[in-house]
Amino acid sequence: KNEVEQSPQNLTAQEGEFITINCSYSVGISALHWLQQHPGGGIVSLFMLSSGKKKHGRLIATINIQEKHSSLHITASHPRDSAVYICAVSPYPKLIFGTGTLLAVQP
Amino acid sequence: GAVVSQHPSRVICKSGTSVKIECRSLDFQATTMFWYRQFPKQSLMLMATSNEGSKATYEQGVEKDKFLINHASLTLSTLTVTSAHPEDSSFYICSARALADSYNEQFFGPGTRLTVL
Repeated sequence: KNEVEQSPQNLTAQEGEFITINCSYSVGISALHWLQQHPGGGIVSLFMLSSGKKKHGRLIATINIQEKHSSLHITASHPRDSAVYICAVSPYPKLIFGTGTLLAVQP
Repeated sequence: GAVVSQHPSRVICKSGTSVKIECRSLDFQATTMFWYRQFPKQSLMLMATSNEGSKATYEQGVEKDKFLINHASLTLSTLTVTSAHPEDSSFYICSARALADSYNEQFFGPGTRLTVL
């Protein structure tokens, strides 16, 4: 069993829909990261959180440390949100990555 | 936010040649840089952890004589793939962690796509 599990693996949505991607982990962590990887490969760090909730524009990330679970929400999704979203956890000093969720937002 | 650059972004080389990839932190000092490899449709795999001024720590299964890492300054780490072979073709990504960061926030470079013919 992977130490970091993401669901769903693939997600297709219509423009404007509310999207949720889930991440569960089984190790003790100091922080959890949500990353975005576009076709072509470059990775952008969206959030780093260790408790509660963070919001940036249309993106919201939450974490429940007791349940070892995090969610990434995208409100009013847009085709430019199409990418792979990766959850990574930080049992210092390394990062352990989930396998990613491929999101396709159709116009 | 902090910016990490990689050069080159794309390289094609012949089998048996060596390829050097640079990773730079542009606006912050990085005590630690990480090198990852990503095969198609797979997640990132940590290859090695590079600390400024000391030898890199390699993950199990990664050949240190094949993947030479040098971290000569607080803003630059290099990965040299020696005697590259087609199976080394992959996407190589570096990340950097700032000084005194206790949460392990890493800033990622844009990646280098290596194709070995």
